[in-house]
Amino acid sequence: ETGVTQSPTHLIKTRGQQVTLRCSSQSGHNTVSWYQQALGQGPQFIFQYYREEENGRGNFPPRFSGLQFPNYSSELNVNALELDDSALYLCASSLPGTREQYFGPGTRLTVT
Amino acid sequence: AQTVTQSQPEMSVQEAETVTLSCTYDTSESDYYLFWYKQPPSRQMILVIRQEAYKQQNATENRFSVNFQKAAKSFSLKISDSQLGDAAMYFCAYRGGSGSGGSNYKLTFGKGTLLTVNP
Repeated sequence: ETGVTQSPTHLIKTRGQQVTLRCSSQSGHNTVSWYQQALGQGPQFIFQYYREEENGRGNFPPRFSGLQFPNYSSELNVNALELDDSALYLCASSLPGTREQYFGPGTRLTVT
Repeated sequence: AQTVTQSQPEMSVQEAETVTLSCTYDTSESDYYLFWYKQPPSRQMILVIRQEAYKQQNATENRFSVNFQKAAKSFSLKISDSQLGDAAMYFCAYRGGSGSGGSNYKLTFGKGTLLTVNP
């Protein structure tokens, strides 16, 4: 149990739609990262938020965006969904000055 | 850019035996961290063990230990006395040590090794 929760657990969307995934971190975890894990692959870094600002981004288009809130929760928004966006989306949070990231259980997104 | 390679897509081990999972990485940084994560079918990514690049001593956590060869850029995981609950996908991950304001938390993962434990 990492203390990081994600909602929803599963989600089915249609191509072209928009989706919002949510993550709730432990108190004090002011850094949150989002990863996309396609089936049979390792997680790929999408972006990271620190003190409510994006401060690192992987090779993902601008239709992937996020928000981080003062209460240590965060969102991943994906616009204009494509079939290839079908994946497990993981969030991970960290305490300042620590080396570990604590992962949530993920949201399985299916785009049809 | 950093890369992480896991050359064994699948491994199997008999219960109570020892198994070693391989990982190599490529980086130009001198300060970094390496991790092994376990992902069971429940999908929860669980940290197994961590190694700081500046430490010469190999990390150990109970039945889990690593063989960290910095010059060879190799980071293998040894699981001793394998248990049925060890069955999972194992990922090797790299994190740079530089950066400020939290920007150094990005993890680069390998493609994973699926470990099966036979009773």
